[in-house]
Amino acid sequence: AQKVTQAQTEISVVEKEDVTLDCVYETRDTTYYLFWYKQPPSGELVFLIRRNSFDEQNEISGRYSWNFQKSTSSFNFTITASQVVDSAVYFCALSSYSNYQLIWGAGTKLIIKP
Amino acid sequence: GAGVSQTPSNKVTEKGKYVELRCDPISGHTALYWYRQSLGQGPEFLIYFQGTGAADDSGLPNDRFFAVRPEGSVSTLKIQRTERGDSAVYLCASSLRLAGGEQFFGPGTRLTVL
Repeated sequence: AQKVTQAQTEISVVEKEDVTLDCVYETRDTTYYLFWYKQPPSGELVFLIRRNSFDEQNEISGRYSWNFQKSTSSFNFTITASQVVDSAVYFCALSSYSNYQLIWGAGTKLIIKP
Repeated sequence: GAGVSQTPSNKVTEKGKYVELRCDPISGHTALYWYRQSLGQGPEFLIYFQGTGAADDSGLPNDRFFAVRPEGSVSTLKIQRTERGDSAVYLCASSLRLAGGEQFFGPGTRLTVL
C-alpha cells in the first residue's frame, strides 16, 4: 500500500523565520514521484514541485528548497525567510507507475504571523 | 494560457436530486482526474481518464457516482440521488501524461446537499 504522512498538523512562526514541513512516504514501487502542492485560503491547489525516485538531488527555488532522502523515505520542504503570503495548507503527495492517482498527506497548515 | 476550469463554482441542491459538475482541462492534456476534498482533509481520488476512457474508477464511492469524457477533453461528473454526505469540494485536475505528470488543478466546485 502507498501512504503519505505529514505529521505536523499546524505550524505557526513569525515572519522571516525559516520553517520546514515534513513529509514521509511509503511505497513498494521503485519508480515513483513525489509532489508538493500549496492550497492558499482561496482554495485552489497550486503545484510547487515534482521529484522522481531516481533523482535525489536537492532543489532550491528562491526561498523554497526541498530535501529528498530515499534512505529515510522523506521529502521535506523548507521555506527560508518566511513571509505572510506563505500562509497556506501545504500537501505532500505521491504517485507511481502502478498507481497514477495522487496519494495525499493530510496537509500541514502553515501560519506566518507578521 | 488558460488553466483548468470548473463549473459551477458553487452548487446547492436538495437531498435526492441529480447534479452534474463540469471540468474543462488544459488544452492538450490527455489525462484528467477527479478528486473530492472535505473540510480539513487532503483530496480523495475518485476517477481518472486517459483520453476518452476511464482508466481507473476505483475511487468512486458507489454507483450513484459516474463520470464521462466523451471527446477526450471536457469531463462531467454526475451524481444521482445526492446525499448530505456528498457535500464537499469536487476538484478536477489535468496533466500531459499519466505516469508522473504534474497535475494542474481547477478551482473546484463546492457542492452542498441540504
